[in-house]
Amino acid sequence: GENVEQHPSTLSVQEGDSAVIKCTYSDSASNYFPWYKQELGKRPQLIIDIRSNVGEKKDQRIAVTLNKTAKHFSLHITETQPEDSAVYFCAARLQAGTALIFGKGTTLSVSS
Amino acid sequence: GAVVSQHPSWVICKSGTSVKIECRSLDFQATTMFWYRQFPKQSLMLMATSNEGSKATYEQGVEKDKFLINHASLTLSTLTVTSAHPEDSSFYICSARWESTDTQYFGPGTRLTVL
Repeated sequence: GENVEQHPSTLSVQEGDSAVIKCTYSDSASNYFPWYKQELGKRPQLIIDIRSNVGEKKDQRIAVTLNKTAKHFSLHITETQPEDSAVYFCAARLQAGTALIFGKGTTLSVSS
Repeated sequence: GAVVSQHPSWVICKSGTSVKIECRSLDFQATTMFWYRQFPKQSLMLMATSNEGSKATYEQGVEKDKFLINHASLTLSTLTVTSAHPEDSSFYICSARWESTDTQYFGPGTRLTVL
């Protein structure tokens, strides 16, 4: 089955800096890659996603890139703010209707 | 956006008792729902895929007789933890798939504590 690796496990940045989180997946048939933000004790919130027919997607300060050949995708957050502090999870999915397989998460801390 | 609710938000029970957790899609129909378990400071681990009107598909290592899943309608899936033990204490989160956008939306989670 699919396996998703995520790095780093923790990331500390200064306010205003950029943050990059990277994930790799094992199954080349995976075609959907969402990113979730989870605050302590709360549900994961979808922040951005990308499908396999697109190489990059951007939404304001957040962008995701996908390299299908290398089977990896990355989350980029620019101009970080303290409220960006949370745990971020990447995920991959094989086909429509199947479950998301999550990476282990990255704890992002943004200090002011 | 699509809204998914879970009930209860938290529950404390004695060892050996059973607990039922409900997951509802409030403004869309979901033929497929998923149940995840999340231990402290860990990732979401898929337990099972729940399909309306059919038996759930369990992940390897998840006991189907211990974690009973029923998806009797297009808006409701339930997870029953039978004969709960302290090691079952965890954060249980469901998600529902909105077919029109092929996106999964998560419920707020249920914190289960077994004494």
